[in-house]
Amino acid sequence: DVKVTQSSRYLVKRTGEKVFLECVQDMDHENMFWYRQDPGLGLRLIYFSYDVKMKEKGDIPEGYSVSREKKERFSLILESASTNQTSMYLCASSSRGGSRYTQYFGPGTRLTVL
Amino acid sequence: AQTVTQSQPEMSVQEAETVTLSCTYDTSESNYYLFWYKQPPSRQMILVIRQEAYKQQNATENRFSVNFQKAAKSFSLKISDSQLGDTAMYFCAFMTRTTSGTYKYIFGTGTRLKVLA
Repeated sequence: DVKVTQSSRYLVKRTGEKVFLECVQDMDHENMFWYRQDPGLGLRLIYFSYDVKMKEKGDIPEGYSVSREKKERFSLILESASTNQTSMYLCASSSRGGSRYTQYFGPGTRLTVL
Repeated sequence: AQTVTQSQPEMSVQEAETVTLSCTYDTSESNYYLFWYKQPPSRQMILVIRQEAYKQQNATENRFSVNFQKAAKSFSLKISDSQLGDTAMYFCAFMTRTTSGTYKYIFGTGTRLKVLA
């Protein structure tokens, strides 16, 4: 079974702090994604990566950056956390063409910025 | 812009009954994939069912089936013989190619389904 893990289930940070969210997948997937999930807004794509060191902006990249130094790991970075970044963050991975493009999700990190 | 619309924020259904969740999307592409994902309370999001746009036959997975109307850009999910474990948030998603040649997904806002005992 595909396994996608995220470094924390719950995280509380202060405004202005630098925040790292990590995601690891064990299925050798080429593609990895970071979403934020807010009530009434569904899932919105922040960034995605289609290969090591490759990244592409999603729909709401402002205030975020990402890093993918190894194939299995995709990090989301909040350079200076703000209260409007309080949200649930979901990581996902998928194979390029395999499994007919199904995404596999991690359990999510609920981030609160005070 | 490509969009996915789920017009039913919340729904409820009696156990053992059938319920249909609606989803419409907007795209100019001719070949694409559509998905329904399920997010149970405090649990991981998982795939329910998937449909390739080039296939005319509607996808089915046990009690879950879709009604895919390509011309109308409609992709509804039917859950038959609803069970308490079907209580979850359901998201419709559309896979689209990006300008760089890779692909990404666009999600709807979700439908919260509650199955009543």
